[in-house]
Amino acid sequence: SAVISQKPSRDICQRGTSLTIQCQVDSQVTMMFWYRQQPGQSLTLIATANQGSEATYESGFVIDKFPISRPNLTFSTLTVSNMSPEDSSIYLCSASRLGGRDAFYEQYFGPGTRLTVT
Amino acid sequence: AQSVTQLGSHVSVSEGALVLLRCNYSSSVPPYLFWYVQYPNQGLQLLLKYTSAATLVKGINGFEAEFKKSETSFHLTKPSAHMSDAAEYFCAVSASVYNDMRFGAGTRLTVKP
Repeated sequence: SAVISQKPSRDICQRGTSLTIQCQVDSQVTMMFWYRQQPGQSLTLIATANQGSEATYESGFVIDKFPISRPNLTFSTLTVSNMSPEDSSIYLCSASRLGGRDAFYEQYFGPGTRLTVT
Repeated sequence: AQSVTQLGSHVSVSEGALVLLRCNYSSSVPPYLFWYVQYPNQGLQLLLKYTSAATLVKGINGFEAEFKKSETSFHLTKPSAHMSDAAEYFCAVSASVYNDMRFGAGTRLTVKP
């Protein structure tokens, strides 16, 4: 299995500022993703973090607002820029890789970063 | 493209009763299907997953789910509900390791004493 850690675990930020969330996996993974979970809602994919190239964003999410880096196979960052109260959410990092004898894939989730924007 | 639909945003059962949480999927390729549980103010915990092996999948905490291709369903069941099962449950689908996971809207399970 893979263990994913995220920093910070929670933060309270002022509107107009930016926060960078770090995601560290304890072993190499194939893919890394960033999700948002707004209060009382399900998870929505923000983007796929591509190693060494620009992230692939879902409709409704743009690089200027959510810049993402993935410098290697075990680490990624998500920045929430120019924050507003609407950005208050839990942000989750996810990673997947092939694993097991049957080569089926496994997907792991980090504990999330709870962001409150005031 | 892959998607899942969870029928019923809120399910309430009595302690000891059968739990049935419904999930239907749409996928253009053979899917990987998952059920996750989220307790209040906690992260996601994987209950079980279907990866094209056995169609009846057993998970943790006594939950199981059956993949029915003809019905495009992957319903989650537990024979006897426990108070500790009260949580939010998410069904999710993915096409492969190279694809992201798409989540349903979630079903909040309430267990009455």
